[in-house]
Amino acid sequence: NAGVTQTPKFRILKIGQSMTLQCAQDMNHNYMYWYRQDPGMGLKLIYYSVGAGITDKGEVPNGYNVSRSTTEDFPLRLELAAPSQTSVYFCASSPTVHEQYFGPGTRLTVT
Amino acid sequence: DQQVKQNSPSLSVQEGRISILNCDYTNSMFDYFLWYKKYPAEGPTFLISISSIKDKNEDGRFTVFLNKSAKHLSLHIVPSQPGDSAVYFCAGIGGATNKLIFGTGTLLAVQP
Repeated sequence: NAGVTQTPKFRILKIGQSMTLQCAQDMNHNYMYWYRQDPGMGLKLIYYSVGAGITDKGEVPNGYNVSRSTTEDFPLRLELAAPSQTSVYFCASSPTVHEQYFGPGTRLTVT
Repeated sequence: DQQVKQNSPSLSVQEGRISILNCDYTNSMFDYFLWYKKYPAEGPTFLISISSIKDKNEDGRFTVFLNKSAKHLSLHIVPSQPGDSAVYFCAGIGGATNKLIFGTGTLLAVQP
């Protein structure tokens, strides 16, 4: 039972490049979330999903896109990377809206 | 608008003593609160939670207290251990949204 896995662990992007952050969970959770954490700040919700085929925006969705074609996977897409997207990204899943299980994070730097 | 506030960025405590981490919230619609613990280079892990119908929840060394009239909750760790050194986030959820709103975290250092 791997829980929530995220790839890659680290990535450096140039301004304007695109990339997809991968997230997978093997706990059959309906709810999945993407957060970003900036230094000295709490976690800000980017997008979330309540089940396969259903996604919705969180607090800071601009510059990102998501899809949820299966229960297990919830990739986050950055289309045109900007320095403001330098952050640590966490994916989480939960069986209910409450206790969320987090992945180890992806540290992204945009230069 | 910061709906969940952790006004102490850091806290240092001696091993064996009590650690008290505080959290204030402004959204009166929150009906459930959670504490998460985060070590460096890892994702947050769930620690303890409390429903708004309770004022206390205890799990081993960890106790969360909720004062709804003051919109304040606190996490007590007794006795504190060096392995408790981490960043602690409180979060609230409720009302029209089913999204967790996190505070900015408190870095706890437990000195041996």
